[in-house]
Amino acid sequence: GEDVEQSLFLSVREGDSSVINCTYTDSSSTYLYWYKQEPGAGLQLLTYIFSNMDMKQDQRLTVLLNKKDKHLSLRIADTQTGDSAIYFCAENFGNEKLTFGTGTRLTIIP
Amino acid sequence: GAVVSQHPSRVICKSGTSVKIECRSLDFQATTMFWYRQFPKQSLMLMATSNEGSKATYEQGVEKDKFLINHASLTLSTLTVTSAHPEDSSFYICSASSGQLYGYTFGSGTRLTVV
Repeated sequence: GEDVEQSLFLSVREGDSSVINCTYTDSSSTYLYWYKQEPGAGLQLLTYIFSNMDMKQDQRLTVLLNKKDKHLSLRIADTQTGDSAIYFCAENFGNEKLTFGTGTRLTIIP
Repeated sequence: GAVVSQHPSRVICKSGTSVKIECRSLDFQATTMFWYRQFPKQSLMLMATSNEGSKATYEQGVEKDKFLINHASLTLSTLTVTSAHPEDSSFYICSASSGQLYGYTFGSGTRLTVV
């Protein structure tokens, strides 16, 4: 089945860039997503990328997709304390079901 | 933007009782709704997919008689945890799809504690 892996933890100094990585095994996904989850809350869609795209930028967020290596990354520029959260990548395979990564807890160091 | 309202946000119930969690799409029609369970410090586990007017499709290992899902309208799906036990304590999250592949919207989650 599908397998989506992420590093569990990432610590970044305030003002620096954060790069959260995600690797997946099934390359037939249609869309790939990044979600943010704050403590005790649901998931907030940050951005998504269609599988035929290599890069997408939206304000402070940049998504890079390397289909050959099955690698997806999310770069957050000028990281702020409000960016502290758990970030999940997710894949969709055209049947509306999402497969989530293991989640990366981003901690901001003042 | 699309909003999904999930209630209650937190519930504590006694072992053996049943708990109903509601998930409503407020400003769009949700053709499909999903129910997830999340254990502490873990990812989301899909429990079931429900389509309006039809029976839910449960993931392997999820007891359909224990986790009853009803999707009676295009704006409301409910998850009922029947005869709850302490091991059912978890964070339950719903999401709704309007049919567009980038249109998933999540509820704010329900923290269920069974004592």
